[in-house]
Amino acid sequence: GAGVSQSPRYKVTKRGQDVALRCDPISGHVSLYWYRQALGQGPEFLTYFNYEAQQDKSGLPNDRFSAERPEGSISTLTIQRTEQRDSAMYRCASSLETGINEKLFFGSGTQLSVL
Amino acid sequence: QKEVEQNSGPLSVPEGAIASLNCTYSDRVSQSFFWYRQYSGKSPELIMSIYSNGDKEDGRFTAQLNKASQYVSLLIRDSQPSDSATYLCAVKSSASKIIFGSGTRLSIRP
Repeated sequence: GAGVSQSPRYKVTKRGQDVALRCDPISGHVSLYWYRQALGQGPEFLTYFNYEAQQDKSGLPNDRFSAERPEGSISTLTIQRTEQRDSAMYRCASSLETGINEKLFFGSGTQLSVL
Repeated sequence: QKEVEQNSGPLSVPEGAIASLNCTYSDRVSQSFFWYRQYSGKSPELIMSIYSNGDKEDGRFTAQLNKASQYVSLLIRDSQPSDSATYLCAVKSSASKIIFGSGTRLSIRP
């Protein structure tokens, strides 16, 4: 596609429900990052992939959060048993290259609200 | 200590002046440094990248890197109202992930 696509754009859920956030990166992009961004803050690293391999998941807050990218393209970030503190903008970004020249292109984000 | 630190601002600069934005980082072996601009309600977009000590110029923007001081800066010359945004410093660490600072809000006053 022309850019990084995230869906849904908005997600409202009740506490305790599971949610799945989808990211479709720019075609051919190798690396894919997930960030969480609170209002007035910078993007907080969650996890990233090179192709289908999850390289670093140290930013995932706890074991309710998981991510996958099984075919090296589309990625899903899953939050189980959601809590109100999970409410935030979740941003996906992809890059054509890895290494020092890893320039990220961001999607529009998914705004998650947990009631 | 945060991995990437920025002054949150807001930084207010008159139109036509030079805006100077600063960033420090903690991982001494970081290799890549980026500046992203984020307009209110929008996603971050890359405006500059720098990898070597010294200055890198692109139009009205100049990025400066000093690895010995672990310091990155962005200068915006001839500031325009359209430059009003949050500027995010990002660093690619030795662990290979890209970490962002909290951003500096810049306001250009006419």
